[in-house]
This record gives sequence, C-alpha cells and structure tokens, in this order.
Amino acid sequence: EAGVAQSPRYKIIEKRQSVAFWCNPISGHATLYWYQQILGQGPKLLIQFQNNGVVDDSQLPKDRFSAERLKGVDSTLKIQPAKLEDSAVYLCASSHPWGKPKNIQYFGAGTRLSVL
Amino acid sequence: GQQVMQIPQYQHVQEGEDFTTYCNSSTTLSNIQWYKQRPGGHPVFLIQLVKSGEVKKQKRLTFQFGEAKKNSSLHITATQTTDVGTYFCAGMKTSYDKVIFGPGTSLSVIP
Repeated sequence: EAGVAQSPRYKIIEKRQSVAFWCNPISGHATLYWYQQILGQGPKLLIQFQNNGVVDDSQLPKDRFSAERLKGVDSTLKIQPAKLEDSAVYLCASSHPWGKPKNIQYFGAGTRLSVL
Repeated sequence: GQQVMQIPQYQHVQEGEDFTTYCNSSTTLSNIQWYKQRPGGHPVFLIQLVKSGEVKKQKRLTFQFGEAKKNSSLHITATQTTDVGTYFCAGMKTSYDKVIFGPGTSLSVIP
C-alpha cells in the first residue's frame, strides 16, 4: 500500500513570496489533515478535510494560508505572502474515519519550508 | 481551549535504563494516541487507548490511560538506541473531534 505522498520535500523562499505544497493521501482515506510542525514542537493542525469538505480550519491563518481538496483526493496548501515565522515542516496526514482503530493518522514525509 | 501537555521535554538515558513520558490533558479525552518521530522523520502511529484505566503492551513499551481519561503514560523498559526519537501523545475530546498533539518528549539513548 502506497503511503502519503508530499512534494516538494524542501523549499526555500524569501519573505513575502508565495509557496504551495501538494499532498496525495493513501487511497481510500476520506480524511486529510495539514499540520505545521515548528522545530522542537508537536504538530499543530491547520486544516482537516472530510472528502472535499472542511471539518476544521480554526487554526489556519486565513489571511495568508489557503487549502483546497477539490475532488476529495489530493490537496494543496498555499501560503501567500510568506512570513519568517512560517518556517516549519508542513506535514500532510490521512486517515480512514471508519478504520479500526478509528482516526489513526498516516503521515507523509513532510515539506521543510525555510523563509529567508 | 483544550491543551495537551507532556513531561519531560527531554530525557537522556543510558542504554538499558528505563524511560517514562507523561501526558496530561486539560479536558477529559475520548481516546489518546501515541506517535513516535525519529530524527528527521515523520510521526508514526504506535497505539490508541480508549478505555479508562487501559494498559497495553508492545514488546518493551507499556502504555497506560488514566482512570479519569485525562492522562496517559508511555514506559519503555531497557531502552535501546533504536528507541531514540520524540514521542508524542495526541488526544481527542470526542471520536469526531480533531486530534490535539502534545509538545513531545525527546529521548536520547547513550550507548
């Protein structure tokens, strides 16, 4: 079974530039998550999708971050414009809401973003 | 809002020593999950605890869920260098709620 795919693995941009990350979840997983992990901290949920609908985006800085999952499969997270404090690893995860146990999250390798 | 805390933040042990990390939630949880993240890697699911007072074992790892379902612990017996990494607990208030990750405990094992 293929895992969660993310690209790119690394990205370096200057502040005020824009950047986009892509995620393809495990086949059949209806729930997709985007997390931000700052060095030395736990993953912080940015947005959670169930199929192509948003379940939770309460911690997404909506003035600069946007995410979509138009066909309920792969997803894109965008930052525009980027700030220095956005430097982090952006992790995508997926889960099967009816799996056993429920809501186990399978993470991709992440995209390491450096904003200069 | 809901908070999940973990202690200690860092732990350095000699190989063969035991290790324990503790997880505390500000609210009662429906379930708690534990993940391990190797240096440079991504979190990998270890186990989920659902029942009050539940204890589960995986080889040298023992996981406990508190009676009040607000705290949990992970104990590793006789650590090995392969145990190096950061251990995160992650709690859910309900089965339909979002998962809140703790800050993690980083374990170093000195050979």
